[in-house]
Amino acid sequence: GQQLNQSPQSMFIQEGEDVSMNCTSSSIFNTWLWYKQDPGEGPVLLIALYKAGELTSNGRLTAQFGITRKDSFLNISASIPSDVGIYFCAGNQFYFGTGTSLTVIP
Amino acid sequence: DADVTQTPRNRITKTGKRIMLECSQTKGHDRMYWYRQDPGLGLRLIYYSFDVKDINKGEISDGYSVSRQAQAKFSLSLESAIPNQTALYFCATSNIGNEQFFGPGTRLTVL
Repeated sequence: GQQLNQSPQSMFIQEGEDVSMNCTSSSIFNTWLWYKQDPGEGPVLLIALYKAGELTSNGRLTAQFGITRKDSFLNISASIPSDVGIYFCAGNQFYFGTGTSLTVIP
Repeated sequence: DADVTQTPRNRITKTGKRIMLECSQTKGHDRMYWYRQDPGLGLRLIYYSFDVKDINKGEISDGYSVSRQAQAKFSLSLESAIPNQTALYFCATSNIGNEQFFGPGTRLTVL
């Protein structure tokens, strides 16, 4: 199957810091999506990207669709405690990455 | 009320037992999916259905079967559960397009 690798696997940051994570694939994708999973819940969509090179923001979140169509990046600015959770990338709807676990220390 | 519901939320069973996990949705979506989540492996697709008469295998369908009883219902069965099927299972729905809406998950433990 399609293999999506996310890095880092986990992050521990201080409140107020910026966060960067990425997702890479050996295959080309036509869409990239970023989801967040809060503890004890299912993932919820944060941002969807549909075009190579596209840069899209949603509040403090910014995501980019890599030019090669094999990667995508998610940045979170000025982190807050409610940013805690697992962040997943997904390519072409249902190929999910391995997840980045984010812990924000107040 | 939740748009995507899963029952049961937690289940402990023994090796060899038949288990059914159920999913219902009120979003009116045609497409439904079953995933399992394991630590460090992310979400992996088990089966998906684009409408009532359509069933497709995903990445890890071995040991699982599904039934799409209606547009709103999609159930996942483990015919003979084994310990490595211990995982968190998610149902999801979508319309045409990429965004999926996930249920709250079912935590299954096979002893």
